[in-house]
Amino acid sequence: GENVEQHPSTLSVQEGDSAVIKCTYSDSASNYFPWYKQELGKGPQLIIDIRSNVGEKKDQRIAVTLNKTAKHFSLHITETQPEDSAVYFCAASRNTGGFKTIFGAGTRLFVKA
Amino acid sequence: DAMVIQNPRYQVTQFGKPVTLSCSQTLNHNVMYWYQQKSSQAPKLLFHYYDKDFNNEADTPDNFQSRRPNTSFCFLDIRSPGLGDAAMYLCATSRDEDSNQPQHFGDGTRLSIL
Repeated sequence: GENVEQHPSTLSVQEGDSAVIKCTYSDSASNYFPWYKQELGKGPQLIIDIRSNVGEKKDQRIAVTLNKTAKHFSLHITETQPEDSAVYFCAASRNTGGFKTIFGAGTRLFVKA
Repeated sequence: DAMVIQNPRYQVTQFGKPVTLSCSQTLNHNVMYWYQQKSSQAPKLLFHYYDKDFNNEADTPDNFQSRRPNTSFCFLDIRSPGLGDAAMYLCATSRDEDSNQPQHFGDGTRLSIL
């Protein structure tokens, strides 16, 4: 069946460094790729998303890249801050042939001050 | 202001005793979702409503039911909770399912089974 693989499962970086989280999807019909941040005791919150007709999107310190051919997409956080510490989930979604969203297993990011 | 509100935040119930979790939204979104999230895992979709149209995931146990009496409210009923049902339950909404819109999550209800 369709799945989304997310790596790494845990990532520890020094404050100010960059963090990169990578995802690979299997469903070639996926055309929407959101990233969610989940802080302790809260629900996931959308931080950035990208659609299949775009290769890269940036919002301040956060950027996402998409390689449709390789079915890879990545989250890049620059100048990390302690408040970036959270669990990050990627997801791949399609709206053709039946609606479906599949989440990656999550990456726990620690930013050390 | 919270747009997807889940009540209660924490729920304790006894093994086998029915429990209902509630979700309300102020976004006027057509789609409402219920997810189960266990520790250190991704959210797992149980079912979703597109307006009044109920869509059950194939692997969702019959023990889990849902009701959506109107656009704003959606309920998750667990008829006979087992120890394995202890988890965080997340409600989410999206504007529709045709155009791939982001999902807006509530802060969840953490369910404990005694």
